[in-house]
Amino acid sequence: KQEVTQIPAALSVPEGENLVLNCSFTDSAIYNLQWFRQDPGKGLTSLLLIQSSQREQTSGRLNASLDKSSGRSTLYIAASQPGDSATYLCAATGGGANNLFFGTGTRLTVIP
Amino acid sequence: DGGITQSPKYLFRKEGQNVTLSCEQNLNHDAMYWYRQDPGQGLRLIYYSQIVNDFQKGDIAEGYSVSREKKESFPLTVTSAQKNPTAFYLCASRWGQGATSGANVLTFGAGSRLTVL
Repeated sequence: KQEVTQIPAALSVPEGENLVLNCSFTDSAIYNLQWFRQDPGKGLTSLLLIQSSQREQTSGRLNASLDKSSGRSTLYIAASQPGDSATYLCAATGGGANNLFFGTGTRLTVIP
Repeated sequence: DGGITQSPKYLFRKEGQNVTLSCEQNLNHDAMYWYRQDPGQGLRLIYYSQIVNDFQKGDIAEGYSVSREKKESFPLTVTSAQKNPTAFYLCASRWGQGATSGANVLTFGAGSRLTVL
């Protein structure tokens, strides 16, 4: 069964710093890798989705990469802001409609 | 705007009661999902449905039931058989059915927090 790991569980950085969040998965046979943001007590907001045939996706200050051979994805956040403070989750999708596996998330705090 | 509406946002239940969480989407998505989120754990799949009048158990279906009578609606009932129901419940949906839906973005509702008194 696919296992998705996110390390570290929590990260604090000063405002303006560039940072990288990590996501590892054990089975490289994935459809895609999706990154989400979750604010406290809220639902998940999709940030980026990388299809298995792609290497990276960009949206504004966010860039997500995917390396299937090594079982890794990274989310790069440029010039971090206090509003970026949230929990970031990654999810790997296998074949089929129900094969979606979530990591436990990285809680990011950006200090003004 | 299209999206997923979950209600109620907060719900309190006495032991032995059944409660139903509502999930409605106007995205015309085929597949709908219910997840449970507990502190320090990843999301766990309770039930999913790919088409009207059909649904499948996820990893932790015991003590829960669902129905899918309309494409837009996928309510979740937490029964008295669920021994530890206090959690944050998230409904999600995405376009497509079967294997093809895996390529599409998953959209979430705002969640419902259930507390057992």
